[in-house]
Amino acid sequence: EAGVAQSPRYKIIEKRQSVAFWCNPISGHATLYWYQQILGQGPKLLIQFQNNGVVDDSQLPKDRFSAERLKGVDSTLKIQPAKLEDSAVYLCASSVAQVTGANVLTFGAGSRLTVL
Amino acid sequence: SQQGEEDPQALSIQEGENATMNCSYKTSINNLQWYRQNSGRGLVHLILIRSNEREKHSGRLRVTLDTSKKSSSLLITASRAADTASYFCATDPRRASWGKLQFGAGTQVVVTP
Repeated sequence: EAGVAQSPRYKIIEKRQSVAFWCNPISGHATLYWYQQILGQGPKLLIQFQNNGVVDDSQLPKDRFSAERLKGVDSTLKIQPAKLEDSAVYLCASSVAQVTGANVLTFGAGSRLTVL
Repeated sequence: SQQGEEDPQALSIQEGENATMNCSYKTSINNLQWYRQNSGRGLVHLILIRSNEREKHSGRLRVTLDTSKKSSSLLITASRAADTASYFCATDPRRASWGKLQFGAGTQVVVTP
């Protein structure tokens, strides 16, 4: 099966500019996640979708970050305006809905953002 | 804030040796998972252990879980250069409805030939 697709792989922008990342999860995976991974740290959950509804966005900086998953398939994460501290890898992951109490994530390769 | 904390932060071993890393967490869990991340890549799931399990094996991987101490360990036996990567534990909180995994900061493992 095809993996989780993300684009672009790399993006360099100036602070205060905007950027958008796209993710296409594995076919049939109802749950989609966006994680932020700062260099040297573990991934931090930004937002979790179940189909096209938001399950958790408690750690999403809503003044500058937005995400959508309109048709319950692919998703877009946007940052506007970007700050220096937004430099990180943005990882998209997907999973099937929990049926056995275990939720295993499949990650994409990530989109590396550098804010200058 | 991150739920799990891995120890050590970094580990350097030679091929053929065993690598052991530990993970401590704070709240009750449904299960605990270990992921590997090669440089510049996404994370790959390695193994999952449920809260009612104490030990699990998968190939050269052995995971233990002690819920009374809120800790887990990952052992990689007979390491290979290809095992060079960062390893993360992730906890699936008991009260979460849809498996909101929380990751630790990771252990960076370097295996030299």
